[in-house]
Amino acid sequence: DAGVIQSPRHEVTEMGQEVTLRCKPISGHDYLFWYRQTMMRGLELLIYFNNNVPIDDSGMPEDRFSAKMPNASFSTLKIQPSEPRDSAVYFCASKMGDTQYFGPGTRLTVL
Amino acid sequence: KNEVEQSPQNLTAQEGEFITINCSYSVGISALHWLQQHPGGGIVSLFMLSSGKKKHGRLIATINIQEKHSSLHITASHPRDSAVYICVTPEGAQKLVFGQGTRLTINP
Repeated sequence: DAGVIQSPRHEVTEMGQEVTLRCKPISGHDYLFWYRQTMMRGLELLIYFNNNVPIDDSGMPEDRFSAKMPNASFSTLKIQPSEPRDSAVYFCASKMGDTQYFGPGTRLTVL
Repeated sequence: KNEVEQSPQNLTAQEGEFITINCSYSVGISALHWLQQHPGGGIVSLFMLSSGKKKHGRLIATINIQEKHSSLHITASHPRDSAVYICVTPEGAQKLVFGQGTRLTINP
């Protein structure tokens, strides 16, 4: 298996633009997680899905953030409009059983 | 909410040294994870343990559930072990609480 796939790996955008991050989980995994990592706050859980259904989105910072999982093999995290303070590395992870498998992350820079 | 504290925050050692990273948490848990984040940013799950000790190559993880403490040891450390090591505890059924990480640098 190729592992968790994220795209793009790097994204640079201007404040106010819409940003869409993509994730393909490992086939057969029934949980998918979106995390954000910053120097100040470390790793934080944003939202997670179980069988494509959002279970807990209490970590989503504000209404500018939204996440979808239209099917078992694809999820998106959208920021609209983006702000400089959204600059971070966004990780997607999938899980079946006890171990989460992390994607390589998307480094987002909002100018 | 579980508070997870790691020590030290930064650790620099010479190749070959025995390394210990500590993790303490405030709320009783059933299991704990150790993650490794490489300088390039990739995150790898090293261990999930609920009691006693686990060993994988030169890495050894121990946990004491009663004392709410876990340690990660690296024997015969190597520069390629240089990474950030993160202790993670569960919160509820699926959420995780992350320690702030220990940045390990092994000099040749």
